[in-house]
Amino acid sequence: NAGVMQNPRHLVRRRGQEARLRCSPMKGHSHVYWYRQLPEEGLKFMVYLQKENIIDESGMPKERFSAEFPKEGPSILRIQQVVRGDSAAYFCASSPTRPNTGELFFGEGSRLTVL
Amino acid sequence: AQSVTQLDSQVPVFEEAPVELRCNYSSSVSVYLFWYVQYPNQGLQLLLKYLSGSTLVKGINGFEAEFNKSQTSFHLRKPSVHISDTAEYFCAASMNSGGSNYKLTFGKGTLLTVNP
Repeated sequence: NAGVMQNPRHLVRRRGQEARLRCSPMKGHSHVYWYRQLPEEGLKFMVYLQKENIIDESGMPKERFSAEFPKEGPSILRIQQVVRGDSAAYFCASSPTRPNTGELFFGEGSRLTVL
Repeated sequence: AQSVTQLDSQVPVFEEAPVELRCNYSSSVSVYLFWYVQYPNQGLQLLLKYLSGSTLVKGINGFEAEFNKSQTSFHLRKPSVHISDTAEYFCAASMNSGGSNYKLTFGKGTLLTVNP
């Protein structure tokens, strides 16, 4: 009964280090989405990926952030040279197809703290 | 552009009391609407959704919401809350057109605290 699996659940990094967050979608789901939740804010869309393709990255910061969803393995959100403002909860969601109604299945999130 | 406003950032209530969490949306096109619940240090769980049809939507854990197009609202209600309902509740919307309905727009959340 595996839902969307994210790891690590908690990650602490010092300024300038790299953060890698992983997401395994639900079984049978090939569409993955990353959302970011800043403190006291709602979630905001970052990127939409299918296997080996970035479909929409309109919500990604222009620098330091990248995402991939390889043919094999989990989707990875990579943040280079982290800054304190990157501290947030990063949620991954998945769907079996491109959603017609916006219904997504969310993971438990990865909470990044930048010291 | 669409937006979602949750009017109350915190709602404290006593156990077994009724509760309403308010949500208003703004969109130039029709939308799909959702309520999610986030328990401490957990992910988002879908409570209920409005896609079309009946404006009164029933969800899990005894929650329901009513879609009101004229008032652009989608308020969440429960007639009698439990301690275990203490959590953050998020209202969200996606556009019913344009093929980008995976871009959910979330409100800032309402922290519901149920006291004994």
